[in-house]
Amino acid sequence: DAKTTQPPSMDCAEGRAANLPCNHSTISGNEYVYWYRQIHSQGPQYIIHGLKNNETNEMASLIITEDRKSSTLILPHATLRDTAVYYCIVRVAVSGNTPLVFGKGTRLSVIA
Amino acid sequence: DAGVIQSPRHEVTEMGQEVTLRCKPISGHDYLFWYRQTMMRGLELLIYFNNNVPIDDSGMPEDRFSAKMPNASFSTLKIQPSEPRDSAVYFCASSLGDRGPGNEQFFGPGTRLTVL
Repeated sequence: DAKTTQPPSMDCAEGRAANLPCNHSTISGNEYVYWYRQIHSQGPQYIIHGLKNNETNEMASLIITEDRKSSTLILPHATLRDTAVYYCIVRVAVSGNTPLVFGKGTRLSVIA
Repeated sequence: DAGVIQSPRHEVTEMGQEVTLRCKPISGHDYLFWYRQTMMRGLELLIYFNNNVPIDDSGMPEDRFSAKMPNASFSTLKIQPSEPRDSAVYFCASSLGDRGPGNEQFFGPGTRLTVL
């Protein structure tokens, strides 16, 4: 899997949008971008994934640049419960399944 | 749905003892993964199964570790003998493998293992 680069930590004020960047400059054409997060002492939780189009679900939005070399996860109105480590993962998605390769992620602290 | 169930949630044992971690995947899921998380190495894959068959065990640290999946609703990860460096949080995850890119993995709450 292609490697990703994320800032080690970020702060965000409660109620504001949290924008988490991820660089994946070596991504291949058949690799998707996935985001997971891990709230303290819990198992990782899936957030969203995308190939080349922007995606939105009830949790977040994913913006992927046209060249697909980077992406941004957006939490539109961050709450204290969004404090977690966020992992950006690049992964080939086939009809079966493949393991997740976790980097160090970004530790997001939402501040009241 | 109860989600992925792991037991025990915490385990404290002494070096040299056998440790067995248990996982019940989400009903109907055909993939099961075992991950380990430490401060030094982060989250790393140990082994994963498809339809109860081990697919890749290259992440298993050494022969002291073994994993089985006797049926679709149960898996075990065994460490024998345990060593202090095995202290970590062990996560089990399951997924439905035929959904293409939408095959998200659902993680259990983890087992925190401490080997003294």
